[in-house]
Amino acid sequence: QKEVEQDPGPLSVPEGAIVSLNCTYSNSAFQYFMWYRQYSRKGPELLMYTYSSGNKEDGRFTAQVDKSSKYISLFIRDSQPSDSATYLCAMRTMEYGNKLVFGAGTILRVKS
Amino acid sequence: EAGVAQSPRYKIIEKRQSVAFWCNPISGHATLYWYQQILGQGPKLLIQFQNNGVVDDSQLPKDRFSAERLKGVDSTLKIQPAKLEDSAVYLCASSLAGEGDTQYFGPGTRLTVL
Repeated sequence: QKEVEQDPGPLSVPEGAIVSLNCTYSNSAFQYFMWYRQYSRKGPELLMYTYSSGNKEDGRFTAQVDKSSKYISLFIRDSQPSDSATYLCAMRTMEYGNKLVFGAGTILRVKS
Repeated sequence: EAGVAQSPRYKIIEKRQSVAFWCNPISGHATLYWYQQILGQGPKLLIQFQNNGVVDDSQLPKDRFSAERLKGVDSTLKIQPAKLEDSAVYLCASSLAGEGDTQYFGPGTRLTVL
């Protein structure tokens, strides 16, 4: 079993839709949770960073962490064609130092 | 502020050949990471440097992969000899220090082994 599971998609939605991206994990020691966005032929860039359980909002993006269920989500409101990319969840523990464990990534396509 | 630079961007080699990748981190960043991203998978950490010392190389296939960061700035990752399964994007990232700091990624080097 992988430490971090993420549905690879692709997920195709119309412009303006609300998008929900999810990851599950098995290691209860994970404390820090991140979402990265990766455009084609580019490196990942950090979108959201949360610690422990709860919600965090930044513009059209909301990150949600439910540690009791070992489940994290990223919501994108009013999705735009420019949001089309691969979204990677990543997480780490104090025990691993700054080592990130990534999900496989979900391909998102927003159609105009 | 300039980002993480990597070269070459693309490389095609035959199996059993050698290849080297170069990374220049963001100025002032003490920590440097090399990741391997196989098509359809997330990045996997190969090695982490703090200045010129190795912090974590537990997932580096040491029989064929090597990496160095001699002066605590630039780094090179080498594969010798390459296998078909080494075909992947090799990403370099850097962070200001280490613990808790955001990792900034370069564009990657896409390696194809034939």
